Amino acid sequence: GENVEQHPSTLSVQEGDSAVIKCTYSDSASNYFPWYKQELGKRPQLIIDIRSNVGEKKDQRIAVTLNKTAKHFSLHITETQPEDSAVYFCAASKQAGTALIFGKGTTLSVSS
Amino acid sequence: DAMVIQNPRYQVTQFGKPVTLSCSQTLNHNVMYWYQQKSSQAPKLLFHYYDKDFNNEADTPDNFQSRRPNTSFCFLDIRSPGLGDAAMYLCATSSRDRGGTDTQYFGPGTRLTVL
Repeated sequence: GENVEQHPSTLSVQEGDSAVIKCTYSDSASNYFPWYKQELGKRPQLIIDIRSNVGEKKDQRIAVTLNKTAKHFSLHITETQPEDSAVYFCAASKQAGTALIFGKGTTLSVSS
Repeated sequence: DAMVIQNPRYQVTQFGKPVTLSCSQTLNHNVMYWYQQKSSQAPKLLFHYYDKDFNNEADTPDNFQSRRPNTSFCFLDIRSPGLGDAAMYLCATSSRDRGGTDTQYFGPGTRLTVL
C-alpha cells in the first residue's frame, strides 16, 4: 500500500523566514496531494492541495511543488508569522474521495 | 462553518463500556470517513462509507464498528473500549463522482477518554 514519509519532524524558524517541509510517497498511482494544518486541539484544516497534472501551485504565502518522477512533493511557506506555528501533515491518495494516507507530521514553530 | 458536526466533543467512558460517537454533515457529501488520532500522531483511517458501501481498513480492530443510516449521519461504535482506544476521533467527508473536489472536510473531533 501507499506509504508517505515526511521530513523534518520539527522545524523552528524566525518570523519572516521561509519554511520548507518535504514528503515522499511510494505509490506511483497516487494523484492527489493535500496539505493540512492542525493547531493544538483543533481539526486538520486544508491549506493547499495539488493534483498530479500540475507541477506547482501557489496561494499567497503558501506554495506546493510536485515532482512525479521522483515521487516527492513539498510545502513552502514564505514570510512566516507566529500564527503559522502548528503541525503540518502531508497526505496522498489515488483517487478522488478515497482514503488519504498521511505523513507523520511536522511541528513548525515560528518565533518572533 | 458548522459543515461537519461531531457530538459529543468530549466523551468519557469506562473500560469495556460501549460508546457511540456521532457525525453529521450539511454538505451532502457521499463519502464519510472515521479517523483515529492519538497524541502527536497523524490521523489514521479506520473505515469509510462511499454512499452505503462500507470500506474497512485491514488493520482496524473488530472492536470498532460503524453505521450510516442516511447521507447526513454516520456513527462510530466502540464495543468494548480499552485504554489504548483513548484518542481524538475525527470524522471527515468528501464528494466522489459528483464533480466535487477531493477535499476532505474534517469535523472538530471527539476526544475520548477511557477510565
